[in-house]
Amino acid sequence: RKEVEQDPGPFNVPEGATVAFNCTYSNSASQSFFWYRQDCRKEPKLLMSVYSSGNEDGRFTAQLNRASQYISLLIRDSKLSDSATYLCVVNSPNNDMRFGAGTRLTVKP
Amino acid sequence: DTEVTQTPKHLVMGMTNKKSLKCEQHMGHRAMYWYKQKAKKPPELMFVYSYEKLSINESVPSRFSPECPNSSLLNLHLHALQPEDSALYLCASSQDRGVSNQPQHFGDGTRLSIL
Repeated sequence: RKEVEQDPGPFNVPEGATVAFNCTYSNSASQSFFWYRQDCRKEPKLLMSVYSSGNEDGRFTAQLNRASQYISLLIRDSKLSDSATYLCVVNSPNNDMRFGAGTRLTVKP
Repeated sequence: DTEVTQTPKHLVMGMTNKKSLKCEQHMGHRAMYWYKQKAKKPPELMFVYSYEKLSINESVPSRFSPECPNSSLLNLHLHALQPEDSALYLCASSQDRGVSNQPQHFGDGTRLSIL
């Protein structure tokens, strides 16, 4: 079983849609969780950390469910510029990052 | 703009060449990382340096040789690479490997092609 699992997609949605990505992790000792965004041929960029109480940054909402070992990212009112690959990242107990395979999102006009 | 700077942006080399990739950060981070990323795959961890000492070598072939001259610099020396080593090489840094909830910040990578 992979340490971090994501649905690879692709997700093709119209502008203005709401889209949700899910991610599960296998190591219950994991302490830190992040969503990164990666554009084609670019480096991964931190989108947001994920906190136990859930957190929101504009149109983006991240949730963590420790009991189910599950992380989610919700994007509301999708923009064309949201098109990218979204990487779920979980810190291992020694604080090295474990990446999911990424979920590809395309927002269409 | 990224706060982790990598050079060169692109590199084409033959299998007998020797070259080096360079990475620099001035955020005072004490952990630095090398990753390899193939197309449509997530980054794969290669090496981790913590306080200028090599902490992790993820079974990387010896044709890749990391070096950390000081807390701001990280090099990756390349020698006798194979065509399958063609990839995007990403450098990252984080504040302190021993502290949880510290995200890593990536440079924009070196795109390496082996002929």
